[in-house]
Amino acid sequence: AQSVTQLDSQVPVFEEAPVELRCNYSSSVSVYLFWYVQYPNQGLQLLLKYLSGSTLVKGINGFEAEFNKSQTSFHLRKPSVHISDTAEYFCAVSALDTGRRALTFGSGTRLQVQP
Amino acid sequence: EPEVTQTPSHQVTQMGQEVILRCVPISNHLYFYWYRQILGQKVEFLVSFYNNEISEKSEIFDDQFSVERPDGSNFTLKIRSTKLEDSAMYFCASTRQTNTGELFFGEGSRLTVL
Repeated sequence: AQSVTQLDSQVPVFEEAPVELRCNYSSSVSVYLFWYVQYPNQGLQLLLKYLSGSTLVKGINGFEAEFNKSQTSFHLRKPSVHISDTAEYFCAVSALDTGRRALTFGSGTRLQVQP
Repeated sequence: EPEVTQTPSHQVTQMGQEVILRCVPISNHLYFYWYRQILGQKVEFLVSFYNNEISEKSEIFDDQFSVERPDGSNFTLKIRSTKLEDSAMYFCASTRQTNTGELFFGEGSRLTVL
């Protein structure tokens, strides 16, 4: 079974400041890793994903994340946030090589960008 | 751009009533999912569906729940006798292939059970 821990439930930050949203996972098998974003009153939208290869992945809206296998982490970063980045961010994992393909989500981190 | 659509956007029902939530997945997708998000909590997997049968389900998906693809385009979630704790946002998702794990989500159906 897999589990995902997002250490921060809320992250307030000023506009144009950098931000890091933390995600750690636990799994007995190799996983794919994802970040989804949920804007108010909308569904979840894929921000970026790690399947294999380079551990630094770039996504939409200037976000990037780095897979660290030894620390079982997949932290999300953005060097300069905008007001429009205010949203809920979910880290998720999907197991490789098993019959289980469903995503397991973390509890989410609410990013609040202030002017 | 193709998208997953869900209806209704919000439904209020009395405890014990049956509810059907509807989803139209992206047309060339083959795998379909229901997730739910109780207010303030994490998004939880309910069930996945492929080739007209359930491929995986969670412990949440008990006998009160059922899914169906009645006409080749719609994908429905039925809750037979709703309970207060079924109040949540229900998200439908679809994907063409599972090896990349990327799911395309609808905007959700908010269910309020009174």
